Amino acid sequence: DADVTQTPRNRITKTGKRIMLECSQTKGHDRMYWYRQDPGLGLRLIYYSFDVKDINKGEISDGYSVSRQAQAKFSLSLESAIPNQTALYFCATSDPTGVGETQYFGPGTRLLVL
Amino acid sequence: ILNVEQSPQSLHVQEGDSTNFTCSFPSSNFYALHWYRWETAKSPEALFVMTLNGDEKKKGRISATLNTKEGYSYLYIKGSQPEDSATYLCAFDYNAGNMLTFGGGTRLMVKP
Repeated sequence: DADVTQTPRNRITKTGKRIMLECSQTKGHDRMYWYRQDPGLGLRLIYYSFDVKDINKGEISDGYSVSRQAQAKFSLSLESAIPNQTALYFCATSDPTGVGETQYFGPGTRLLVL
Repeated sequence: ILNVEQSPQSLHVQEGDSTNFTCSFPSSNFYALHWYRWETAKSPEALFVMTLNGDEKKKGRISATLNTKEGYSYLYIKGSQPEDSATYLCAFDYNAGNMLTFGGGTRLMVKP
């Protein structure tokens, strides 16, 4: 079973709709992240959370919000989707172990906003 | 916004060829440099984490080197195989808090 899961895997929505992408993990990690991937741009950080009561904006948080419902769950919401939010979205987790923490990624959610 | 660049953007090689690609990153406030391998329709998977200038890491036919003073890392693949086809991502960790800035990736395609 996958340690980091994302639902849905694919989503098509219309401009102006509110949608939520969900991430769950069984790794027991405190730290969770949301990234978006656009062709040629690598992964860009949207939001991150270092524990249940901690939420921080990343590089490109405008138009997004998040909720950390529990250690294992971190949801990303698009309040009013727009076409330039069409992208591949990844959730990731990590555990602070000292030097150079590896991040573990989910399978991604492909979002198309019409 | 930190500038992390990877070159080339894409690379086509024949099976058996050896290849390498580059990740450039800021030489100040260095904490760690990560390499990930990302196959289409799968999750990015960690290959290496390097923290010290001069670090060399190896996993099978894949190896990586690190130069923090000049701000670059090389990833080498010896004797490329079709299953090596993937996008290789590097990520610069500057904050000691696991805040990663990713490069745009190098997409490798290995032809049988």
